[in-house]
Amino acid sequence: LAKTTQPISMDSYEGQEVNITCSHNNIATNDYITWYQQFPSQGPRFIIQGYKTKVTNEVASLFIPADRKSSTLSLPRVSLSDTAVYYCLVGDTSSGTYKYIFGTGTRLKVLA
Amino acid sequence: DTAVSQTPKYLVTQMGNDKSIKCEQNLGHDTMYWYKQDSKKFLKIMFSYNNKELIINETVPNRFSPKSPDKAHLNLHINSLELGDSAVYFCASSTHSLGLYEQYFGPGTRLTVT
Repeated sequence: LAKTTQPISMDSYEGQEVNITCSHNNIATNDYITWYQQFPSQGPRFIIQGYKTKVTNEVASLFIPADRKSSTLSLPRVSLSDTAVYYCLVGDTSSGTYKYIFGTGTRLKVLA
Repeated sequence: DTAVSQTPKYLVTQMGNDKSIKCEQNLGHDTMYWYKQDSKKFLKIMFSYNNKELIINETVPNRFSPKSPDKAHLNLHINSLELGDSAVYFCASSTHSLGLYEQYFGPGTRLTVT
């Protein structure tokens, strides 16, 4: 079963770049890696998704090494409104059935 | 327009009661999900339905029974509620199943069992 682990929390200052890493040692070969953002009292919201190397969209970048056993979400120039919990999500088929496994979540606090 | 809606937003009930949470999506998606988020904020999938058919059924007590009357609705019925059922329950939907397509989450239902 895939174990997806993330740092529990991170602090950053406004304007800095923040990198959050997720470890997913047992990710299935053909799985995408997806990241979500969650604000208090709201459901998670999609940020970015990738399969390998680097993906960039208007809000973030996602770096995935060749072995795909980890991924790093990069938030450029964070602002106070980026304070939230960030989750990675991977699929795992090691048990014979497809399972969605959320990471443990990283609480990002952006300071002024 | 709300893409994925859940009712009620808050639910307080006593042990042993039976309760239901409703979910509706207006995105035209084929796949819907139920997740449980515990007090430590861990998110865990419970069920997934694709076109009204159950495709993922994680190890949850059989007191939890999902029901999908049509592909726009996925309700969660819980029998004989226990203290450990207290959590936030999220409904979500996506275009397809069996693959990590972008999921759209509802606002959540906070269930408190006393």
